[in-house]
Amino acid sequence: EVQLQQSGAELVKPGASVKLSCKTSGYTFSNYYMSWLKQMPGQNIEWIGNIYGGNGGTGYNQKFKGKATLTVDKSSSTAYMDLSSLTSEDSAVYFCARLDYGYNGYFDYWGQGVMVTVSS
Amino acid sequence: ETTVTQSPASLSMAVGEKVSISCKTSTDIDDDMNWYQQKSGEAPKLLISEGNTLRPGVPSRFSSSGYGTDFVFTINNVLLGDEGIYYCQQSDNVPLTFGAGTKLELK
Repeated sequence: EVQLQQSGAELVKPGASVKLSCKTSGYTFSNYYMSWLKQMPGQNIEWIGNIYGGNGGTGYNQKFKGKATLTVDKSSSTAYMDLSSLTSEDSAVYFCARLDYGYNGYFDYWGQGVMVTVSS
Repeated sequence: ETTVTQSPASLSMAVGEKVSISCKTSTDIDDDMNWYQQKSGEAPKLLISEGNTLRPGVPSRFSSSGYGTDFVFTINNVLLGDEGIYYCQQSDNVPLTFGAGTKLELK
């Protein structure tokens, strides 16, 4: 069974950084792209970027370049996202989601989401 | 960037009725449209993928149609358990983009 398990909720101060994790199981991590997505309360879903589990190759939504950095640890089948210079606009739920195939596609499995709150 | 315009923003339906949701894209995306259901406090769930393909385990009451720039998602005989927000998402090009969602309430 494919599973994506995300780390717990974060409360961080403005200007700080946070690293979110997404531990996977039930499939061959290195054969798929992982995406990260942002959903602000009551709002639309935004795609942040992709990372390939095989070689760590990345692609970002221009809107999130400089804000998000995606990495992977193949040995533990875990994907990570660093968010830097946090502001209130970064307060949201963040999801990791597996792309069913290729670099641009659809999201067939999702993590449960993690709430990031930026507040002093 | 492909903009996805979804309508309506909300629907209030009775059990057994037919639900129709529209998504229009700003560029031609062939049939690279996907549909998700999100229930309160949960992650989105993929219902239909590219080429109007119903995902395994998803009831046949759910269907979609469309090609190019105009797409429609349909729920026949809507049930109480279908309440939630429905999103369309284009997978033709990056950045991958979503519609703004349709909130479905059952009377």
